[in-house]
Amino acid sequence: DIVMTQSPDSLAVSLGERATINCKSSQSVLHSSNNKDHLAWYQQKPGQPPKLLISWASTRESGVPDRFSGSGSGTDFTLTISSLQAEDVAVYYCQQYHSTPRTFGQGTKVEIK
Amino acid sequence: QVHLVESGGGVVQPGRSLRLSCLASGFTFSSYGMHWVRQAPGKGLEWVAVIWSDGGNKYYADSVKGRFTISRDNSRNTLYLQMNSLRVEDMAVYYCARERLGGREAFDMWGQGTMVTVSS
Repeated sequence: DIVMTQSPDSLAVSLGERATINCKSSQSVLHSSNNKDHLAWYQQKPGQPPKLLISWASTRESGVPDRFSGSGSGTDFTLTISSLQAEDVAVYYCQQYHSTPRTFGQGTKVEIK
Repeated sequence: QVHLVESGGGVVQPGRSLRLSCLASGFTFSSYGMHWVRQAPGKGLEWVAVIWSDGGNKYYADSVKGRFTISRDNSRNTLYLQMNSLRVEDMAVYYCARERLGGREAFDMWGQGTMVTVSS
């Protein structure tokens, strides 16, 4: 199984400042079939289901603000919120969909400082 | 409008069974692979099971293998999770999630979840 490890577990950032979340996979999630990284980022606000923010490591979903960006390849990935807004307070999860089981990171809680 | 609505959660004693349902609407259910993902209280997301669009292939997390069965009825646009021999550690909110078309894709739609409480 591919193990996904996020860091940090939580972070507090001032409004308007940058938030950076890291995700590391125990093996490459680059799939030879399409030469893409099978890595997604989800946002989960309290009492809500997860919401897909980014797929293929860096492709923002429709309607997701451009302050959210994903980067990385192979085994190391980053989700960046360029200018934190109050509505971004949530837990963020990375997930690999390279293989089954479709494992998630443990989550990173983002709060306002 | 595109929706996934779970039902069937509740309070059950350890060792008993429960069947969850997920009713899909607003899209061609039979075209999509579907997953169950759970979240224990205050914890992270744990993938549980997947069933391919035609129901021909199913895979499970080791933690539920042999106890849980995923199935679907494409004529009823419904996904199921039969949970047997429930344990305290199975207590969680259970979400159904749609895998985007294409195979090996992200989960682009989630239901609101249904809570399963396992307690004596």
